[in-house]
Amino acid sequence: EAGVTQSPTHLIKTRGQQATLRCSPISGHTSVYWYQQALGLGLQFLLWYDEGEERNRGNFPPRFSGRQFPNYSSELNVNALELEDSALYLCASRRDTGLEELFFGSGTQLSVL
Amino acid sequence: DQQVKQNSPSLSVQEGRISILNCDYTNSMFDYFLWYKKYPAEGPTFLISISSIKDKNEDGRFTVFLNKSAKHLSLHIVPSQPGDSAVYFCAARGTGSARQLTFGSGTQLTVLP
Repeated sequence: EAGVTQSPTHLIKTRGQQATLRCSPISGHTSVYWYQQALGLGLQFLLWYDEGEERNRGNFPPRFSGRQFPNYSSELNVNALELEDSALYLCASRRDTGLEELFFGSGTQLSVL
Repeated sequence: DQQVKQNSPSLSVQEGRISILNCDYTNSMFDYFLWYKKYPAEGPTFLISISSIKDKNEDGRFTVFLNKSAKHLSLHIVPSQPGDSAVYFCAARGTGSARQLTFGSGTQLTVLP
């Protein structure tokens, strides 16, 4: 069974540009979570999608947005990139049947120059 | 406002000895706790969890203890092995619309041969 896959692995952008990150959850998993890990920091919760709906978002500005598609894959968009957006962006999925463990992808390393 | 805190950024332990990683939380609404391990350039992987109705859970070399009155949990690894060297994150689950996991900042464990 394939794990959570994220693309691209690395992404280099300049300040003011837009970035799109993609995530495919494990087959059968309906919930997708996005986390940001800046250098030296823990995982900061960004967004939670379930059955195509945004269920909750963390304390990030509106230029961080996303969506979940009918096949449960997800996209994270970051508009008007700032230097401090440089971080590892992790996607995780969970089967919505009471199991709480999140399964993470390897992440997208976003560098904003 | 850090709701989940890991106050030790790093810990070094001799191979074969016990590793004890600590985590404190402030939100009494958290009802499920997890530990994740993360190697460089990989996503976090689930290690062990505990429900708030229990005070101990064991899985092989790994044991998690929960002290609800102190809002404190710990992960014991016995015996420690060099392959256990990684960053360990504790995480706590909220309830309702805040059901995403909140992570601590992580502890780098180094097991010395």
